[in-house]
Amino acid sequence: ETGVTQTPRHLVMGMTNKKSLKCEQHLGHNAMYWYKQSAKKPLELMFVYNFKEQTENNSVPSRFSPECPNSSHLFLHLHTLQPEDSALYLCASSQGGLNTEAFFGQGTRLTVV
Amino acid sequence: AQTVTQSQPEMSVQEAETVTLSCTYDTSESNYYLFWYKQPPSRQMILVIRQEAYKQQNATENRFSVNFQKAAKSFSLKISDSQLGDTAMYFCAFISGNTPLVFGKGTRLSVIA
Repeated sequence: ETGVTQTPRHLVMGMTNKKSLKCEQHLGHNAMYWYKQSAKKPLELMFVYNFKEQTENNSVPSRFSPECPNSSHLFLHLHTLQPEDSALYLCASSQGGLNTEAFFGQGTRLTVV
Repeated sequence: AQTVTQSQPEMSVQEAETVTLSCTYDTSESNYYLFWYKQPPSRQMILVIRQEAYKQQNATENRFSVNFQKAAKSFSLKISDSQLGDTAMYFCAFISGNTPLVFGKGTRLSVIA
C-alpha cells in the first residue's frame, strides 16, 4: 500500500458515456500526476498538478479533463472517448520538484467499447 | 527531451540466480535522479531503488543494486538471489529539474522455479 488510492479499479464505458476517475492521497504531497499506460508503450505523462495548479498538459485530447480541487484529490473526467483510449490510467503523487520519489496508485483499467 | 531506453522487452531467470536489466538514457542535464520501479501483476508501481547522479557510489537495496555509468548514460539493475516474487515489469525512470518522471518501455522479468 503506497498511500495513493484510485477508484474505480475497473471501468467499462461506451463512447458516448461520461465518467470520472478518482485519485486520493493523504501523504502530504504537493504534486499529483495522471499517467496513461498502454501495452508495449512507455508510460505517458498526461497531466501534472503542483500545489493544485496545472503545470503540464502533454498535448492530451480535450476529451480528457483533469480537476484538482485540493492537494489530496485528483480527478480525470472522461467524455466521448475512443476505443484507443482503453488503457491503464495511473495516478501518482510526490513532494514535487527534483529528488522526488513518485508514489503510484493501483490504477484504473479502462475499456472503451 | 529526456529519453529512457530499455532494450530488453522480456527476460527470465532461474530462482536464486542473478539477473541484470539494462537501461540507457539521454540527457544534457548534469543534475538528475534515476529510478527503477517494479510493477507486479497487482499493477501497483513500487520504487525499487534510486540513484542520485552526483553520487559515484552505486546504490544498493538488499538484493537489488545498480551499475551507474554516468559517462555512458547507463543505469542497469542487478537482482541477486532472484525470488518468485520478483516476477514483474521493471521500469527505468529519469527525473531532472522540473521535468516529471520519464519512463522506459519496461522489461518483463519472469523468475522460474
